[in-house]
Amino acid sequence: TQLLEQSPQFLSIQEGENLTVYCNSSSVFSSLQWYRQEPGEGPVLLVTVVTGGEVKKLKRLTFQFGDARKDSSLHITAAQPGDTGLYLCAGDLLDSSYKLIFGSGTRLLVRP
Amino acid sequence: DSGVTQTPKHLITATGQRVTLRCSPRSGDLSVYWYQQSLDQGLQFLIQYYNGEERAKGNILERFSAQQFPDLHSELNLSSLELGDSALYFCASSVDGQGTQYFGPGTRLLVL
Repeated sequence: TQLLEQSPQFLSIQEGENLTVYCNSSSVFSSLQWYRQEPGEGPVLLVTVVTGGEVKKLKRLTFQFGDARKDSSLHITAAQPGDTGLYLCAGDLLDSSYKLIFGSGTRLLVRP
Repeated sequence: DSGVTQTPKHLITATGQRVTLRCSPRSGDLSVYWYQQSLDQGLQFLIQYYNGEERAKGNILERFSAQQFPDLHSELNLSSLELGDSALYFCASSVDGQGTQYFGPGTRLLVL
């Protein structure tokens, strides 16, 4: 059973469309991070959210941390082919285990 | 470039063999993490070291071991290799062993 569920698993959209990726859990996290990974490379950190209800914007990407710190979403406005990649959410549990729990990822393809 | 370096980039070996993967963390980071990423299982946490000591353990097989040296670089040793060990192995580092992790480019291991 995956502690962090990401949806959708795959997404293929046309350039210019908007999309939202969800990351859900029944566990509470002290922080949650979003990474983007391209084939053959390591995950690259996009953002860290720490406060319940927090919203962070990174150009066309908007990240939100749920009020209860159990879920998060990533919204991309006017997607570009350069947004193509694997998006991973990762949560830092409150149990002092020092482990980051990764979601299974959302594979995004933006067609030109 | 995250500042985390990993060598080698690619490794091809045979079943039953032993290999060592090396990681140098970002300058100033005290903690190193190892992850395995395979196609069917996503990013799996293996083990974490903080300032030379083991801090957290994940789904690491007994055939695998790791250590962090006084200069803070880390090595992951994989022995009695099996076909199923073929995967991408990532190292990540963080300043204080919590929160944000920065990933290296990975080592792609192929066991034939």
